[in-house]
Amino acid sequence: NAGVTQTPKFQVLKTGQSMTLQCAQDMNHEYMSWYRQDPGMGLRLIHYSVGAGITDQGEVPNGYNVSRSTTEDFPLRLLSAAPSQTSVYFCASSYGHLYGYTFGSGTRLTVV
Amino acid sequence: DQQVKQNSPSLSVQEGRISILNCDYTNSMFDYFLWYKKYPAEGPTFLISISSIKDKNEDGRFTVFLNKSAKHLSLHIVPSQPGDSAVYFCAATTGGGADGLTFGKGTHLIIQP
Repeated sequence: NAGVTQTPKFQVLKTGQSMTLQCAQDMNHEYMSWYRQDPGMGLRLIHYSVGAGITDQGEVPNGYNVSRSTTEDFPLRLLSAAPSQTSVYFCASSYGHLYGYTFGSGTRLTVV
Repeated sequence: DQQVKQNSPSLSVQEGRISILNCDYTNSMFDYFLWYKKYPAEGPTFLISISSIKDKNEDGRFTVFLNKSAKHLSLHIVPSQPGDSAVYFCAATTGGGADGLTFGKGTHLIIQP
């Protein structure tokens, strides 16, 4: 049972480049979400999904796109990377509140 | 405007004693509250949750208390162990968890031998 798998673990981008952060879970969880963690800021919600085909914006959605075509996958797309998007990104999935959210190990992204 | 606040950036406790981590919130629509533990270079790990209709939930050494009128919750760890040294995040959610989590900034717990 792999849990939540995030790839890549590290990435360096140039300003203006695009990329997709991958997130996959094998627990058949309906709820999935993306967060970014910056120093001293805790984790902030970027986008979330309550099931395949359904997504919504969180606290800091600007500059990011998501889609949910299957239950298992929830990729996060950066269309035109900016230095302000340098952060650690976490993907999480859940059955619901009682079980908490299971987090991946994160992707450390640097935009230069 | 921060909806979940952890006002103590760090806390040092002796091994074997009780650790108490505090959290305040402002959004009365939150219906569940969760605590997470995080080690460096790892994702957060779920510890314990509590519904807004309860005032206490216990799981082994971890107990969470909720004071809804004060919009305050706390995590008690008894007894504290060296492996408990980590950053602890308080989080809250609406819609039974469907709407993602709102996190506090975390408290770094240090267990002294």
